[in-house]
This record gives sequence, structure tokens and C-alpha cells, in this order.
Amino acid sequence: GAVVSQHPSRVICKSGTSVKIECRSLDFQATTMFWYRQFPKQSLMLMATSNEGSKATYEQGVEKDKFLINHASLTLSTLTVTSAHPEDSSFYICSARLGQGPQETQYFGPGTRLLVL
Amino acid sequence: AQSVAQPEDQVNVAEGNPLTVKCTYSVSGNPYLFWYVQYPNRGLQFLLKYITGDNLVKGSYGFEAEFNKSQTSFHLKKPSALVSDSALYFCAVRDIGSFQKLVFGTGTRLLVSP
Repeated sequence: GAVVSQHPSRVICKSGTSVKIECRSLDFQATTMFWYRQFPKQSLMLMATSNEGSKATYEQGVEKDKFLINHASLTLSTLTVTSAHPEDSSFYICSARLGQGPQETQYFGPGTRLLVL
Repeated sequence: AQSVAQPEDQVNVAEGNPLTVKCTYSVSGNPYLFWYVQYPNRGLQFLLKYITGDNLVKGSYGFEAEFNKSQTSFHLKKPSALVSDSALYFCAVRDIGSFQKLVFGTGTRLLVSP
């Protein structure tokens, strides 16, 4: 149980185009999902918290107009990188929250590697 | 603010030997502590967590971790390492009062040699 998928696993795009990444909780419903970014040989940086049916909460320094998040259902959140530039190239990982309070655990997707040319 | 420190960038151990991956934390209240493992080009896999109760927590793949409040540590351990355990390990903490956010350490690469 507690499987999270991401699509695509890898994407290459031209500078200036937009890219959408999907995050799905396959066997549970998640009212809250998270989007992280990971640079090579570094830890995960939380970008935003995605809440089903409401606006995402972005971390300080993350441009909400550049990284659009939509959490339209209890099993799907999407991250759209708008007008992508080479500096947006990174490994993007989502997670979905299962449980509440002390029992809460985040389960992670396999990640999406984005390369902007 | 909560924080996590993983003092070792890499840990080397021979197969069959015990392994320890260190983690210390800082939170204002009581912590929820987690260990995750990441294989190359993959997301993180949940290993185990400490919420409350017994200080020794057992998790997946034979891993365990010991919560030490006085030393603010949550070291990951395994009695006998396997080559397949070679991966990147992340410790994470969530402050009870922080409402959902996990803070990750910088990761420790474990290399198990045959």
C-alpha cells in the first residue's frame, strides 16, 4: 500500500515552454500533497504544499506564478513549470500525506527529472 | 526552527558488518522522526518513524533506529549490511507544532562493499 506515482519520469523541453508533472496517490486518498525539488547531491527542498480544493501554499522564495500547482482531486496533484528555463532543470519529487496527526507519514513518488535546453 | 544534521556525507561498511548512519535533530517541542532511503534516480522510500513510546523503532528491510532524547539523536542501524543497502539515506524531522512540514537532512550515502 501507500504507492505514489509520478508522470513523466523524465522530460526534456525547450526553453520557454511549459511542462506539467502529475503526482498520483494510487491506493489512498490524499488531501495534502507536497512538491519538492532536489539538486544534485543535495537534500530535498520543499517548494509548496498542495491542498485538495484550495490554493497551494508556497515556501518562501518559490514563485507561485512560475510553478503552478493544481490539486483538483483527492488522488491527483499537478505541478506546471511555466516558461521553463535551463535553471529550472532539476529533479522534482512529490509526496502524498497518509494519515493525520501523529500517524501522519509522507509517501514519495519516484521523481521527475526535468531538463530544459 | 527545526533542523536535522547528518554529519557524515558517506559511510562505508563491509557486507555482513553492522552499520550506523547518524542523525541529530533540533526542534522546539517533541519531534516526529523519519528515515527514508533513495536509490539512484528514484524518489524516497519510507523506512521507519518514531512518534512516541519505545525508543527503538523497527522498520523495513531489517533497519532500526534508536531515539535518544538526551542526545537529540535518531541513528539508523542494521545488524548486518547487504550490498543492496547501498543508497542515499535521509533523516527527517517534523515538529509536532509545525503542521505537516518535514525538514530533511543533507543525506548520507551508504556504500556496502562485497
